[in-house]
Amino acid sequence: AQKITQTQPGMFVQEKEAVTLDCTYDTSDPSYGLFWYKQPSSGEMIFLIYQGSYDQQNATEGRYSLNFQKARKSANLVISASQLGDSAMYFCAMREGTSSGSARQLTFGSGTQLTVLP
Amino acid sequence: GAVVSQHPSRVICKSGTSVKIECRSLDFQATTMFWYRQFPKQSLMLMATSNEGSKATYEQGVEKDKFLINHASLTLSTLTVTSAHPEDSSFYICSASPGLEGGHPSGDGYTFGSGTRLTVV
Repeated sequence: AQKITQTQPGMFVQEKEAVTLDCTYDTSDPSYGLFWYKQPSSGEMIFLIYQGSYDQQNATEGRYSLNFQKARKSANLVISASQLGDSAMYFCAMREGTSSGSARQLTFGSGTQLTVLP
Repeated sequence: GAVVSQHPSRVICKSGTSVKIECRSLDFQATTMFWYRQFPKQSLMLMATSNEGSKATYEQGVEKDKFLINHASLTLSTLTVTSAHPEDSSFYICSASPGLEGGHPSGDGYTFGSGTRLTVV
């Protein structure tokens, strides 16, 4: 079974509008972390936002917010006031277990290509 | 912020030759290094995990004799693609983590290199 599922291969949004990128996850570990990364055409991975499984509040970072619905196992990324520079591939990722000792690997979803239209 | 320097950014090599990719953590100790491979328009697939001073752990289906990983110091890990073939052409990217003891330099615990586009002709 897929651990991270992103069902939107491509999304379009008008500049200045908000957009939600979907992500669902599957794990039986009670402790986990959810990440969103942006990958522009240059290939670099840009960290956007992190949500821990025990965090009570939804994570926010500037124009990015994470809509964390634990019971539904979803961690959707909301980008407000979209900008042309937001056009990129967006990946949802999960780390299972705590980060004590050696780091745990990230498992990535298939990604969503976001295009912001002028 | 934390930086991982990955070189080269692009490399073209002839079939049958070997290529070495370096990832160097500039301002923190990378206890663990993850090596990913990404085909165009696809996700990042973990190839192997290495901890400083230990042998790398390879994911199923990844040939350890073809993709040699060395993590001899806390600031340098290398991936060598041996006897490269056109099907090895891909985007390779590393991700370093200090582990809990070293703190989380990027706030999320992982710092990615900028990636290497390998083309084997």
